[in-house]
Amino acid sequence: GAGVSQSPSNKVTEKGKDVELRCDPISGHTALYWYRQSLGQGLEFLIYFQGNSAPDKSGLPSDRFSAERTGGSVSTLTIQRTQQEDSAVYLCASSLVLVTNEQFFGPGTRLTVL
Amino acid sequence: RKEVEQDPGPFNVPEGATVAFNCTYSNSASQSFFWYRQDCRKEPKLLMSVYSSGNEDGRFTAQLNRASQYISLLIRDSKLSDSATYLCVVKGTGGFKTIFGAGTRLFVKA
Repeated sequence: GAGVSQSPSNKVTEKGKDVELRCDPISGHTALYWYRQSLGQGLEFLIYFQGNSAPDKSGLPSDRFSAERTGGSVSTLTIQRTQQEDSAVYLCASSLVLVTNEQFFGPGTRLTVL
Repeated sequence: RKEVEQDPGPFNVPEGATVAFNCTYSNSASQSFFWYRQDCRKEPKLLMSVYSSGNEDGRFTAQLNRASQYISLLIRDSKLSDSATYLCVVKGTGGFKTIFGAGTRLFVKA
């Protein structure tokens, strides 16, 4: 079956521009996570969604970052007024059961801010 | 102190060697523990969950020590294909924030 998909796979933008990153989770997965991975670094938790509950935004690094999940499925991560330090790979993961089960990751979006 | 800490390595070992990674976590209320594997420029994939009683999957053994707040991963009879970064993952209770360690790089050489 289809896995988690993300688009675009690569995004190059100029400092100060807004970008939108999309994640299509595995069908039926109720939990969705966004992470950021900078070069040579581990994954930094950004935000998660579980069903219709309010998202946990505790990992968002600044108010320039926001995310939404429409209809409990597709999610969009928006970064406003991008900065060079936002350059990273943004990974999305989904999970069928929130508490303990495996997270399935998408291939990521590589964002480069010039 | 980071919430999840790992030795970044790299560990360079010959084929057939046994290698062990440790990971420490700071939140004593953490409930779930995992090891993920990440190949170069690829997404992470679950290697195995870590259970309180310890668990084994083929050449891989994971152990949890709650008192000392560390988990370990043992790889026996290393293969070239084991070369990757191994990520320690901890999930708390109450909230569902998942914390990934920075990873330990392993290179297995012929």
